Amino acid sequence: DAKTTQPPSMDCAEGRAANLPCNHSTISGNEYVYWYRQIHSQGPQYIIHGLKNNETNEMASLIITEDRKSSTLILPHATLRDTAVYYCIVRVWRNNDMRFGAGTRLTVKP
Amino acid sequence: SQTIHQWPATLVQPVGSPLSLECTVEGTSNPNLYWYRQAAGRGLQLLFYSVGIGQISSEVPQNLSASRPQDRQFILSSKKLLLSDSGFYLCAWSRGQSTEAFFGQGTRLTVV
Repeated sequence: DAKTTQPPSMDCAEGRAANLPCNHSTISGNEYVYWYRQIHSQGPQYIIHGLKNNETNEMASLIITEDRKSSTLILPHATLRDTAVYYCIVRVWRNNDMRFGAGTRLTVKP
Repeated sequence: SQTIHQWPATLVQPVGSPLSLECTVEGTSNPNLYWYRQAAGRGLQLLFYSVGIGQISSEVPQNLSASRPQDRQFILSSKKLLLSDSGFYLCAWSRGQSTEAFFGQGTRLTVV
């Protein structure tokens, strides 16, 4: 199973871009990269996912390196409400499960 | 649209008492269903997942069990709760192997 490595915490100034890195050096060719976030005492919220190409939606952008060994989640204009724990997950295809690591605690400061 | 319901939101139970947490999904059929637990200040631990009625996979040996009596119903149970069972329990569903998962709002269980 591919595993992910994320920094435990990051700070970002309000209005600036937040760039959250994730390493997944053992990812397999058919495994997707997913990002979720969890605001305190709530269920995790899906943000974005991708396989090879960069992806963008209304919440964020996902940049995946060409070798797929790492990715970066970009929140283009962080707000105070983006303060949360962000999880990078690699989909374990053979067991239909989805395993979460420790995530990155992002704090957006005014 | 699809919705996921999880209840109760909070629960305080004495040690040794039974537990039953229910999760239901609306607006979809044959979803993958998941139970996670989150200890205070920790990440999410996958407890069980199910790809169909009566099909349950357990990830870690523990004091808990899961059942899926209907296509869109997932139940987490225990015959006798332990103090270590305290935590934030989350139910989630997804359509298949490569799609996003959607989470319920969770149940905060305190065993006293």
